[in-house]
This record gives sequence, structure tokens and C-alpha cells, in this order.
Amino acid sequence: AQKITQTQPGMFVQEKEAVTLDCTYDTSDPSYGLFWYKQPSSGEMIFLIYQGSYDQQNATEGRYSLNFQKARKSANLVISASQLGDSAMYFCAMREGGADGLTFGKGTHLIIQP
Amino acid sequence: DGGITQSPKYLFRKEGQNVTLSCEQNLNHDAMYWYRQDPGQGLRLIYYSQIVNDFQKGDIAEGYSVSREKKESFPLTVTSAQKNPTAFYLCASSFADGIYEQYFGPGTRLTVT
Repeated sequence: AQKITQTQPGMFVQEKEAVTLDCTYDTSDPSYGLFWYKQPSSGEMIFLIYQGSYDQQNATEGRYSLNFQKARKSANLVISASQLGDSAMYFCAMREGGADGLTFGKGTHLIIQP
Repeated sequence: DGGITQSPKYLFRKEGQNVTLSCEQNLNHDAMYWYRQDPGQGLRLIYYSQIVNDFQKGDIAEGYSVSREKKESFPLTVTSAQKNPTAFYLCASSFADGIYEQYFGPGTRLTVT
């Protein structure tokens, strides 16, 4: 079974609109972390935001926020006021407490239109 | 400036040749990782190391080897035993002993013909 599921292969959004990228996860480990990364066409992976399984508040970093719904095993990324430079692939990833590497979803290709 | 460097950015090899990809970090991280990315896919873990002179296999270690002789360096060798070596390879590092974000290098795109 997939541990990280991103159901939106591609999205088109108008500049300045807010966008929500979906991510659901599957784990039985009570301790885990959820991450979002941005991958522009150049290829590097840029860390955006982190949410720990025990965190009470949703994580925020500038224009990025993580809508964490633990009971639904959902960790959606919200980008407010989208910009042309936000066009990229976005990956949701998880690290379980007993594991060492990150498990990635297949990504969402976000295109911001002027 | 602290960061992770990978070289070269593009690498071309003939089938049957081993090739070594370099990864260096100056972030003072104990843990280092190698991932592989195929077109339209997420990243998959090849090898990781939490400490010098120790490393562990990830999900797709077959056909790869690594070494960790220095904290700053974690080279990956793609051997001739790797059946489909053409891919984008990304190195990452993080603090150990907990769940921390991983920081990635710019990647090496390997093409084997």
C-alpha cells in the first residue's frame, strides 16, 4: 500500500489565488513527521514546511501552511497568494519514528498562470 | 555558505562501467542519504548513513555501494550490476537522533547508454 498519496498529478491556478495541494498518509507509528518539498525544473529539492505528529498547531512558514488533520491522516499544503515562481513539482514526504529515510509521494505539478 | 554539493551535474557513461557520484556537505550534519528519482516519480531511498564508518541499505540498494569515511562526504557508486542506472540522483543530509528535515544537494543526472 502507498504510504504517501498525492491525488492531484497536475494543477493550474491563477496568480494571486490560494492553492491547496492534497496529501494523505498511512502509518501505524504514533511518532512521525510530515514534510513538503518544492522541486523547480532545475531539480533541486527545497524544504518548505514540517509538521510533527504530536504538534498541536498547524505549521506555518510565510505563505505556506500545513492543514494537518490527524484523524483523517491528511497533511495538505496551502499556499496563499500564489506567485508565478511557485510553479514547480511539490512532494509530500513522511518519516516514521522507526525509519531513517523519507518516503515520498509521486508529486503534484503546480502551474501558476498570469 | 553552508550547503550540499554534488558533482557533476550531468554524467554520461557506457553500460558496464562503474561510476561514482560525489556528495559533500558543510552543514555539520551527522546523517546523509542518497535518493534516486525516475521521471514522474517521487524519490526512493538507496542508502543512508547516520555516522562515520556506518551505513545502511535503503529500499533500492541493489547495484549500488557507498562509503562514509568522513562526516562531510558520502559518495555513491553505481555499479554495472544496477539494471536501470539512468536516473536523477539526489544526496541529502540532516541532523540525526530525531525527525528532522533533510536538506538536498542540486542532484546529478546520470545517463547510461
